[in-house]
Amino acid sequence: DVKVTQSSRYLVKRTGEKVFLECVQDMDHENMFWYRQDPGLGLRLIYFSYDVKMKEKGDIPEGYSVSREKKERFSLILESASTNQTSMYLCASSRNPGLAGGADTQYFGPGTRLTVL
Amino acid sequence: GQQVMQIPQYQHVQEGEDFTTYCNSSTTLSNIQWYKQRPGGHPVFLIQLVKSGEVKKQKRLTFQFGEAKKNSSLHITATQTTDVGTYFCAKAAGNKLTFGGGTRVLVKP
Repeated sequence: DVKVTQSSRYLVKRTGEKVFLECVQDMDHENMFWYRQDPGLGLRLIYFSYDVKMKEKGDIPEGYSVSREKKERFSLILESASTNQTSMYLCASSRNPGLAGGADTQYFGPGTRLTVL
Repeated sequence: GQQVMQIPQYQHVQEGEDFTTYCNSSTTLSNIQWYKQRPGGHPVFLIQLVKSGEVKKQKRLTFQFGEAKKNSSLHITATQTTDVGTYFCAKAAGNKLTFGGGTRVLVKP
């Protein structure tokens, strides 16, 4: 079974703090993703990575950065947390389907509920 | 904004009844994926549809891809309390997925 783990289930931080959210997957997947989930807005992609040290902006990258130094680990960084970043953060991973194209099934971690005071 | 629209946003269903949730796009889709998120849980993959007009079944769940590949539906028969959750459709764009806003299903016993 694919396993995607996230470093914390719940996190409370203060405005202006630097926040690190860690995600690890054990299936040797090429692709990793960070989403935030807010009521009524579904899942919105923040950043994704298709290889080590590679990253691409998603739909809402402002206020976030990412790091992928190893294939299994993808970190989301909030340089200076703000109250509007209070949300559920979900990490996911997937294989690269290669020549088959398309997007493969994504496997999600349990999520980190971040509260910024 | 969202490029995939899901309706309804909320669905209250009496246990034992059927219901359908819809996923619509203004552009032609290469494929569509459906996920289910239980309350307090994370999204879990249900199914992927690729071909025009494709219909796939998983027990009481029937998934359909429109002939024009611009919409999809999920029909649940004889709803049970275990069906509670939010159902998301997602369209593929390269290696990424764009998710709809989800349909949150509440079941009345």
